[in-house]
Amino acid sequence: DAKTTQPTSMDCAEGRAANLPCNHSTISGNEYVYWYRQIHSQGPQYIIHGLKNNETNEMASLIITEDRKSSTLILPHATLRDTAVYYCIVRPNTGGFKTIFGAGTRLFVKA
Amino acid sequence: KAGVTQTPRYLIKTRGQQVTLSCSPISGHRSVSWYQQTPGQGLQFLFEYFSETQRNKGNFPGRFSGRQFSNSRSEMNVSTLELGDSALYLCASTLGDRGNSPLHFGNGTRLTVT
Repeated sequence: DAKTTQPTSMDCAEGRAANLPCNHSTISGNEYVYWYRQIHSQGPQYIIHGLKNNETNEMASLIITEDRKSSTLILPHATLRDTAVYYCIVRPNTGGFKTIFGAGTRLFVKA
Repeated sequence: KAGVTQTPRYLIKTRGQQVTLSCSPISGHRSVSWYQQTPGQGLQFLFEYFSETQRNKGNFPGRFSGRQFSNSRSEMNVSTLELGDSALYLCASTLGDRGNSPLHFGNGTRLTVT
């Protein structure tokens, strides 16, 4: 079973920030939080990951709560091309583990 | 730098046949993992290889197998194909062998079993 839960779908207006939540209440101390997105018929695209601290890159920001039980992916200025399924997963900092994906959040960016 | 390359992109097979899918990881990446994606079950982990060793396997029947070569390229094989094996098969590679190294996915092989 997936260790993360996400809303099934969300809407966002073009140009506005998209805030995608993820719950990972059973996360272990050595597990990283990762975000990926998948556009139809393509492989998942890596967005960002973090352990404890908030992270930012050219695509998005990742906000992890202090207790690490939840996180939020922020797309600061959503465009129509950001319409995709977004997956939040956790991966331990060990080798030989199974990476488990949940159903993800389908984000619709509307003009 | 080239991304993860999967071949072929599309494949049509008949029930009972077998199929081999290929994955070339990003140059320098030594870990490769495979996933099956279907509308009903989503993305499911198949297996993971590092330095030619299978380190973990998902809950799939023995008809699904894989291997990794010394150059890190990987293949997966499905024997005695069933209609339910129709899916998008995705390969991902990572630079390191631990969870702090992002997975980089290819665009998959879409297998249709008739």
